[in-house]
Amino acid sequence: DTAVSQTPKYLVTQMGNDKSIKCEQNLGHDTMYWYKQDSKKFLKIMFSYNNKELIINETVPNRFSPKSPDKAHLNLHINSLELGDSAVYFCASSQGDGTGGEADTQYFGPGTRLTVL
Amino acid sequence: DAKTTQPNSMESNEEEPVHLPCNHSTISGTDYIHWYRQLPSQGPEYVIHGLTSNVNNRMASLAIAEDRKSSTLILHRATLRDAAVYYCILRPLWAGGTSYGKLTFGQGTILTVHP
Repeated sequence: DTAVSQTPKYLVTQMGNDKSIKCEQNLGHDTMYWYKQDSKKFLKIMFSYNNKELIINETVPNRFSPKSPDKAHLNLHINSLELGDSAVYFCASSQGDGTGGEADTQYFGPGTRLTVL
Repeated sequence: DAKTTQPNSMESNEEEPVHLPCNHSTISGTDYIHWYRQLPSQGPEYVIHGLTSNVNNRMASLAIAEDRKSSTLILHRATLRDAAVYYCILRPLWAGGTSYGKLTFGQGTILTVHP
């Protein structure tokens, strides 16, 4: 059973387009995240949601808009795609009680490789 | 956030133990030490975490120095499947507000396992 799933796995699009990446977790977790891994392999958090409320927004351009319709889903919509948005995007979830211990273990999805031409 | 320092890369032979070091000299008394790894073309996965005492689980062991300024992830018998980037991350005991749940990844250590 897949714990954290993302669709699509690959996304190739033209500059200026709008696209969405979907994420679902079946772990019953309260907190979900989006991370970006650039071409140099640095992984950086973009957003986190706890119980559908935005908690972290790491100075991401407002072309990126996360949407959490319910606790099990956190989608990422990107407007006016730019070349620099090409990266692998990872969704993650955790039970998220904020204590830094076991309950904050994050489970990552397989990633979505976005290529902007 | 307190920083961690790891070697860029390490190599091992299959079925030999691997000791992956991490320095965190500015660690605070309430920071947990977490290790994640990222296999090729996959998302990161949790390996182990600890606070003060050494920890063991089915994947690895974590040895934490007495002063907590360094730690070592131990893979007891490396397999080819253990080839990955290993990240040592500090997580505060309470990460509320805008740090809630935040994992700050460094460059990690690329582990190569030879058959």
